[in-house]
Amino acid sequence: DTAVSQTPKYLVTQMGNDKSIKCEQNLGHDTMYWYKQDSKKFLKIMFSYNNKELIINETVPNRFSPKSPDKAHLNLHINSLELGDSAVYFCASSQEGGAEEQYFGPGTRLTVT
Amino acid sequence: KQEVTQIPAALSVPEGENLVLNCSFTDSAIYNLQWFRQDPGKGLTSLLLIQSSQREQTSGRLNASLDKSSGRSTLYIAASQPGDSATYLCAAWRSGNTPLVFGKGTRLSVIA
Repeated sequence: DTAVSQTPKYLVTQMGNDKSIKCEQNLGHDTMYWYKQDSKKFLKIMFSYNNKELIINETVPNRFSPKSPDKAHLNLHINSLELGDSAVYFCASSQEGGAEEQYFGPGTRLTVT
Repeated sequence: KQEVTQIPAALSVPEGENLVLNCSFTDSAIYNLQWFRQDPGKGLTSLLLIQSSQREQTSGRLNASLDKSSGRSTLYIAASQPGDSATYLCAAWRSGNTPLVFGKGTRLSVIA
């Protein structure tokens, strides 16, 4: 009964490839997020979606494209992967967005070689 | 632009000690604040949320306080246990319409 789940947990791929990370929440929340945690463990917002609509896009390269088929899912597709994309990507959700308590998934560790 | 600083970056204490983790903000215009715990290789677990109208929140052995005038928050852990070993992250919203901004965390080790 995991609240926020992500797949895969680990992803190793070569430069130039395209990959996707999936996220699902069963909390009935309206807002979902993608965060990136870099090698220095600094966690930063990438995107926020409320009820399938993009709310926040924090100057992320357009190689990153979030897709929300419904409010329980927010997938992250990355084109033309670069070495600097290596990081841990976390999905999160909150009831309505804004400044509400956020619940995080277990993370996906992406390694680009 | 809001920046969050957590001091110390790492802390090691013997089991049973009470301890305080600190979090400060460059912009004291803080709306809500959330403390998280992150275990190695794992996701973030929400510990406490302090809303804009509150000054502190308690959950079990944890107490978090927020002083907006000084732009600081503290997380107090009573009677620390080895299972408390983790990285503790604080994060804040500047307003209801801004993204959550994280500190870099304090890595806590509780030695048995």
